[in-house]
Amino acid sequence: DAGVIQSPRHEVTEMGQEVTLRCKPISGHNSLFWYRQTMMRGLELLIYFNNNVPIDDSGMPEDRFSAKMPNASFSTLKIQPSEPRDSAVYFCASSQNRGDQPQHFGDGTRLSIL
Amino acid sequence: GESVGLHLPTLSVQEGDNSIINCAYSNSASDYFIWYKQESGKGPQFIIDIRSNMDKRQGQRVTVLLNKTVKHLSLQIAATQPGDSAVYFCAENSDTDKLIFGTGTRLQVFP
Repeated sequence: DAGVIQSPRHEVTEMGQEVTLRCKPISGHNSLFWYRQTMMRGLELLIYFNNNVPIDDSGMPEDRFSAKMPNASFSTLKIQPSEPRDSAVYFCASSQNRGDQPQHFGDGTRLSIL
Repeated sequence: GESVGLHLPTLSVQEGDNSIINCAYSNSASDYFIWYKQESGKGPQFIIDIRSNMDKRQGQRVTVLLNKTVKHLSLQIAATQPGDSAVYFCAENSDTDKLIFGTGTRLQVFP
């Protein structure tokens, strides 16, 4: 079975550039989550969607970050403009229903902003 | 200035021994708990979950114990193998949608 698919796996770009991370959740899952993982702060929830609708974006660091879910099989996380402190591993996860089902993670996008 | 990262507690065990990884959770109202395993370069991988109406659940070589009185969760791995080396995270359901993750424990298995 296909798991959560993220692309790209690695991204290196210069500060000020726009970065777009992509995620395809597991088919049939109706909740999608974007996380960021760093050595300093561990795993942080940025935003999550339920049935393609953003439910809680309180973890989004600032207005430079935005996320969309145009349909049940695709989501994007965009950073514009990017800064060196945005360097991290970004994970997407999906689950069925709500918080009483396990979230399944992709293998992440390692982002480096120079 | 010097940067300080999260200090991950480390558990070192010999191959073949049993491992016990502990986690203290924060919210007494949490009713769903999950253990994840994260290997280098990969995303967290679901291992086992437990709901608050249970105090023990077993999987293949793994057992999760839940003590709601002291808000404690543990993961027991039987006959630990080199492939079990990873960072292990506990997570609790803090409301109907979000999981709150612990900082993680690094498990090192030596021959």
